Amino acid sequence: EAGVAQSPRYKIIEKRQSVAFWCNPISGHATLYWYQQILGQGPKLLIQFQNNGVVDDSQLPKDRFSAERLKGVDSTLKIQPAKLEDSAVYLCASSLGVGNTEAFFGQGTRLTVV
Amino acid sequence: AQSVTQLDSQVPVFEEAPVELRCNYSSSVSVYLFWYVQYPNQGLQLLLKYLSGSTLVKGINGFEAEFNKSQTSFHLRKPSVHISDTAEYFCAVRPHRGSQGNLIFGKGTKLSVKP
Repeated sequence: EAGVAQSPRYKIIEKRQSVAFWCNPISGHATLYWYQQILGQGPKLLIQFQNNGVVDDSQLPKDRFSAERLKGVDSTLKIQPAKLEDSAVYLCASSLGVGNTEAFFGQGTRLTVV
Repeated sequence: AQSVTQLDSQVPVFEEAPVELRCNYSSSVSVYLFWYVQYPNQGLQLLLKYLSGSTLVKGINGFEAEFNKSQTSFHLRKPSVHISDTAEYFCAVRPHRGSQGNLIFGKGTKLSVKP
């Protein structure tokens, strides 16, 4: 089966610019996650969708980050305006549901803000 | 709230030597436990998971882990490592309930296997 697809793989932008990342989860997976992985740290959840509804965005910096999952399939994560500290790998993951179901991760988008 | 502590940020070992990567967690509720591996410039891949039952779980690539409830630990082991095991390993927990199923990760352990 096809895995979680993310694009772009790499992105370099200047601070105060905007950027968007795209994620296509595994077909049939209701739950979609966006994680931020700063160098030297473990992934940290930014936002979780169940179908097209947000179930957890408590750690999303809402003044600059936004995400949507229209039609409950693909998702986009946007940063506007970007800051230097947003440099990280942004990982998308999906799972059939919550609880003990496995989360499958994409390869991530490496963002560098200069 | 939950937290995960990986006690070693880096573990260098020689090829064919045994290795143990340590993981301790803190949680006020029951949790599922996971180990993920991340190869350079790749996403995370599930190595193994503990859901219930036998406390010794076997995963892919010859790895195994043992859940110790009293010590709140879930250490990862492999009896003989290969060069190809060089990667970063993340321990994670997910609450059984009381949350939406978010994975909480440790900071990771970089395993470096030398010839």
